[in-house]
Amino acid sequence: KNEVEQSPQNLTAQEGEFITINCSYSVGISALHWLQQHPGGGIVSLFMLSSGKKKHGRLIATINIQEKHSSLHITASHPRDSAVYICAARKGYGGATNKLIFGTGTLLAVQP
Amino acid sequence: DAMVIQNPRYQVTQFGKPVTLSCSQTLNHNVMYWYQQKSSQAPKLLFHYYDKDFNNEADTPDNFQSRRPNTSFCFLDIRSPGLGDAAMYLCATSLDSLSYEQYFGPGTRLTVT
Repeated sequence: KNEVEQSPQNLTAQEGEFITINCSYSVGISALHWLQQHPGGGIVSLFMLSSGKKKHGRLIATINIQEKHSSLHITASHPRDSAVYICAARKGYGGATNKLIFGTGTLLAVQP
Repeated sequence: DAMVIQNPRYQVTQFGKPVTLSCSQTLNHNVMYWYQQKSSQAPKLLFHYYDKDFNNEADTPDNFQSRRPNTSFCFLDIRSPGLGDAAMYLCATSLDSLSYEQYFGPGTRLTVT
């Protein structure tokens, strides 16, 4: 079983829909990242959070440390949001490494 | 803008022919990472530098080496690429041990013929 699990693996939505992607982890973490990767492209960091909620434009990320669960929400989805969304948990607590444990990703397709 | 830059974006090499991928950063971050990402898989950490200190992951093949001549640049050397080394190679940086966010470059897609 992966230490970081995402659901769903694939998601198809109509433009304008509210989207939720979930991430659960089974290890103690110091922070959790949400990353975006377009097909064939590099990775863009969307959020890093260790508690509560963050918002950037149409994107909202929440985390519940006690339940070891995080969600990424996209409001008013648009076809340009189509990408793979990756949840990555950081296990280290300081020191020289920030090793990330990656989830398997959620492939989102937003249809016009 | 401060950023993480990878060159080239696409690299084609022949089986067994050494290849070097480049990463540079203008963020003045202490830590630089190299990840390998194969198709439909999550990125896999190969190694990282904390300043000049090199940290290799236990399962990184000896075929993969890295150099960091200064703060700004980090290179990934693949000494004898095999067909299985075809992948996207991602460079990332983070400020130091007190700042956890990693900033990723656009990646270099390596093809081995």
